[in-house]
Amino acid sequence: AQKVTQAQTEISVVEKEDVTLDCVYETRDTTYYLFWYKQPPSGELVFLIRRNSFDEQNEISGRYSWNFQKSTSSFNFTITASQVVDSAVYFCALPLLRQGAQKLVFGQGTRLTINP
Amino acid sequence: GAVVSQHPSWVICKSGTSVKIECRSLDFQATTMFWYRQFPKQSLMLMATSNEGSKATYEQGVEKDKFLINHASLTLSTLTVTSAHPEDSSFYICSAALAGAGGDTQYFGPGTRLTVL
Repeated sequence: AQKVTQAQTEISVVEKEDVTLDCVYETRDTTYYLFWYKQPPSGELVFLIRRNSFDEQNEISGRYSWNFQKSTSSFNFTITASQVVDSAVYFCALPLLRQGAQKLVFGQGTRLTINP
Repeated sequence: GAVVSQHPSWVICKSGTSVKIECRSLDFQATTMFWYRQFPKQSLMLMATSNEGSKATYEQGVEKDKFLINHASLTLSTLTVTSAHPEDSSFYICSAALAGAGGDTQYFGPGTRLTVL
């Protein structure tokens, strides 16, 4: 069965610090995707990235970077030079194909607070 | 691109009344939409999967007659909370699946905060 674990419930750092959010997953699928979403205080989930299990290269997008390690079943997310606007709950997710639909299995989320 | 709207953004209703929430994919067609429920400081809980033109598939423990889902078109799904009670108060979020190479990506609406008095 699919499972996503985000062991860090809450993280608090001072602005401009780098911060890494951990995501560990379990799946029996040989090929799969992984997702990260951001949920700011407004409540809307914002899509950040979709990663294919074929591709283990690190992904960088501005201050955001993702480290995918298939050997350890981890897909960690790093924010460099954090800003107050990065404060949000971040969810890692893994699709589960069931009855023809790709449902998402979410981790419990990590609440990130960036203090000025 | 890939914008999903949800209406209303918040609603307050009396116990026993029904509330309808709309979810629309604005710039793409979504054969599949999903409805989630989220309690404070918790993760998202999938309630049901909605497919255009067919009956929704409900997750275990979700009452079909309580949470009516209609997916009338490729851009619209509705969730009706019937005979709402205070325990139905929650944050309801929909998502629409955009098909891509190798799989779908779900894009989420802004959510609807329901308060039942």
